[in-house]
Amino acid sequence: SQTIHQWPATLVQPVGSPLSLECTVEGTSNPNLYWYRQAAGRGLQLLFYSVGIGQISSEVPQNLSASRPQDRQFILSSKKLLLSDSGFYLCAWRPTGTGNSPLHFGNGTRLTVT
Amino acid sequence: AQKITQTQPGMFVQEKEAVTLDCTYDTSDPSYGLFWYKQPSSGEMIFLIYQGSYDQQNATEGRYSLNFQKARKSANLVISASQLGDSAMYFCAMREDLNSGGYQKVTFGIGTKLQVIP
Repeated sequence: SQTIHQWPATLVQPVGSPLSLECTVEGTSNPNLYWYRQAAGRGLQLLFYSVGIGQISSEVPQNLSASRPQDRQFILSSKKLLLSDSGFYLCAWRPTGTGNSPLHFGNGTRLTVT
Repeated sequence: AQKITQTQPGMFVQEKEAVTLDCTYDTSDPSYGLFWYKQPSSGEMIFLIYQGSYDQQNATEGRYSLNFQKARKSANLVISASQLGDSAMYFCAMREDLNSGGYQKVTFGIGTKLQVIP
């Protein structure tokens, strides 16, 4: 069966520090991968999605970046965090080309930038 | 323009009653799909139901049904016989196929907070 791992679960970082959140998927190959951010009490904002290694599409221009160095690994990074980067970050995957397959989410990372 | 619009920030429903959560969408892609997710206070995202743009019948999954009106571009979630455990945030989402190449973008609405009253 397929599983998705996302870590860390919580993170407190000072303004200006770097960020690296990692997400890995097991039990499937060539998944579509997604990073979302949810501000407190708000909806999910799509940040990045990827259909393959090295193929990243950005939805929101900001100081975040994403990389997909391996087929089932998706990394969200920042060189210098801003206060506005605080939020709940969710990684998700779904099989490529299967219309009715839902997104499968990780447990999320609660990031607080101080 | 918003791709997914959920106009109800919060809803109350009496236990055992039915409730409808609204969702409208905007796309020019003829092939798309609509999802509903539930997010309890724990933060996990729970998939509830799916409706494809070419599906002839409204989707149903247990107490959940999707009232799909394609011409009006609406995909409302109906929860029958509400339970206290249904209290949560509910998100409508849309998958667009973006023509080719396996790109399947999924965007979410801002959600509706449902509270079930005993």
